[in-house]
Amino acid sequence: DGGITQSPKYLFRKEGQNVTLSCEQNLNHDAMYWYRQDPGQGLRLIYYSQIVNDFQKGDIAEGYSVSREKKESFPLTVTSAQKNPTAFYLCATQDRIGEQYFGPGTRLTVT
Amino acid sequence: AQSVTQLGSHVSVSEGALVLLRCNYSSSVPPYLFWYVQYPNQGLQLLLKYTTGATLVKGINGFEAEFKKSETSFHLTKPSAHMSDAAEYFCAVSEMDSSYKLIFGSGTRLLVRP
Repeated sequence: DGGITQSPKYLFRKEGQNVTLSCEQNLNHDAMYWYRQDPGQGLRLIYYSQIVNDFQKGDIAEGYSVSREKKESFPLTVTSAQKNPTAFYLCATQDRIGEQYFGPGTRLTVT
Repeated sequence: AQSVTQLGSHVSVSEGALVLLRCNYSSSVPPYLFWYVQYPNQGLQLLLKYTTGATLVKGINGFEAEFKKSETSFHLTKPSAHMSDAAEYFCAVSEMDSSYKLIFGSGTRLLVRP
């Protein structure tokens, strides 16, 4: 069963702690993306990767970091430098004609 | 850079009425165009896409959209709204560079009244 897995669905952390969100895919897509979504707002691009061992900053990369050591995995770390980390985080892959496939999302709450 | 404008952050229709969600894009060349739907606390799901060929595109759940190059529009329609159509809808356009990454509109929340 092909798809994108994001875990966990809900994540709670204390302010000042780093936290890593998982994104795994078995669609064999080269490109992967991380978006942030705040209530009532659209998607904002955090980071993206078009190939293993390479990634680029999106529009709101400050306070976030990523790695792409394997084609299947694109974890996102929310660091303590991110001022307002509470949000819904979406991971996506992209096929060769530009269609993006989304995971179920992780809702991060930082208190 | 590309941009996408979705007119109306909220659209309310009666069950059985026509659904029309508007999307305009900026592009000097015909882009790839997409409509996605998002239900609460879920990821986005593709409704339909235009890449090349026929300008009227049919998608899932009875939705369709028409690519109009002269108007730089890709409006989403459904002849008869169902309660289950209540969701957030996002229009997206691909960057016509080597990344083909998507630029999303700000979204339109569709409310369906009984």
